[in-house]
Parts: sequence; C-alpha cells; structure tokens
Amino acid sequence: DSGVTQTPKHLITATGQRVTLRCSPRSGDLSVYWYQQSLDQGLQFLIQYYNGEERAKGNILERFSAQQFPDLHSELNLSSLELGDSALYFCASSGGQGVNQPQHFGDGTRLSIL
Amino acid sequence: TQLLEQSPQFLSIQEGENLTVYCNSSSVFSSLQWYRQEPGEDPVLLVTVVTGGEVKKLKRLTFQFGDARKDSSLHITAAQPGDTGLYLCAGTVGYSTLTFGKGTMLLVSP
Repeated sequence: DSGVTQTPKHLITATGQRVTLRCSPRSGDLSVYWYQQSLDQGLQFLIQYYNGEERAKGNILERFSAQQFPDLHSELNLSSLELGDSALYFCASSGGQGVNQPQHFGDGTRLSIL
Repeated sequence: TQLLEQSPQFLSIQEGENLTVYCNSSSVFSSLQWYRQEPGEDPVLLVTVVTGGEVKKLKRLTFQFGDARKDSSLHITAAQPGDTGLYLCAGTVGYSTLTFGKGTMLLVSP
C-alpha cells in the first residue's frame, strides 16, 4: 500500500462528457503528480502541484485541468471527453517539490470512453 | 524533448534465465529511476541512481547507471515468474519533470 488513494477505480462515460478524478497523497507529502498511461503512449506526465500551487506542466491538454486543495488532495478534471482519452490515470505523491525524490503511485483510475 | 528509449519492448523467458533490459537517451540525466508495474497495478519504485557509473543491487536485480548518465541497465539473475511485469525507467534533468520510457514488458514462464 503506497498510501496514495485514488477514486474512483473505474469510470465509464460517453464522449463529450466531463469527469473528475480525485487523489489523496501520502500523509505528509506536499507534491502531487498526475500521469496518463495508454497502451500506445506509455506513461505520460500531465501536471505537478506542490503545496497548492502548480509546479510543472507536461503534456496536458487544454480540456484537462487540475488543482490541489488546502488539505493537499488533488483533482484532475477532464472535459469534452474523446475516445482517445480512454486510459489509466495515475496520481503520485512525494515529499518535496523536486522530482528526484521517489514518487509513490496510487492504484490509478481507469477511464473508459464509450 | 527528452526521449527515453527502452529495449527490448517485450521479453519472454523461462524461469531461471538471466536477462538485461536497457534504457537509453541522448540527454544527460541528474537521476534515473526504475519502476515495476504488475498487470492491473500501479508502478512501484525499485531504485534511484544518481551517480555516473553507479551500481545498485536489489536481491537478484542489478541496476547500473552509465558513466555519462545517459543510459541505464537492469539485469535480473535467475528470473522467477514473480518478476513478470512492465519495467519502466524514468529520468530527470535537474528539477524538471520526470520522463518515463514506454517500458519493457517481461514475461517469465514457469
């Protein structure tokens, strides 16, 4: 158990819809990272938050947004969903803001777009 | 754009065999991490290497960081079915984002 909690485990929705994925980091961790994993693209970094502020941005689409709340949990919002958004979305957390620190991954949310 | 290439993409071996998988890049990394992801599970960190030429051993797994910090290898001795999984390498440049390779899928048959 990594201590990182992601909900829900599985989401099935239709194109054009929007969903919110939730992540609670390990106790004491200030950084939260979001990744998208698909079969053809592998694990892609989306965005990082540190102590409530955006720290780094990766290949995140404009239709996607995220935020980290004062209690350090984070949400990833995906809107105008397309078939290609079907993937496994992972959240990871670490203690500091530097990515050299080990990241601990949650179990992921599997998003299926019909 | 940092690009981490992992090879082979897929490896199927029998229990007891040895294997090496590789992670290569044209970029110099300040650190490199290896993760193992079992089917349906989340990636789990195995090791972090930071010094060029560094070798770390984790039971039957040996990790090496290239002298120039552009490549890394993972050697597994006497592979077991429990080693089956997707092995991911991920590198960082300074405090930039962690870039993952696409992974090597290892299947160890009894």
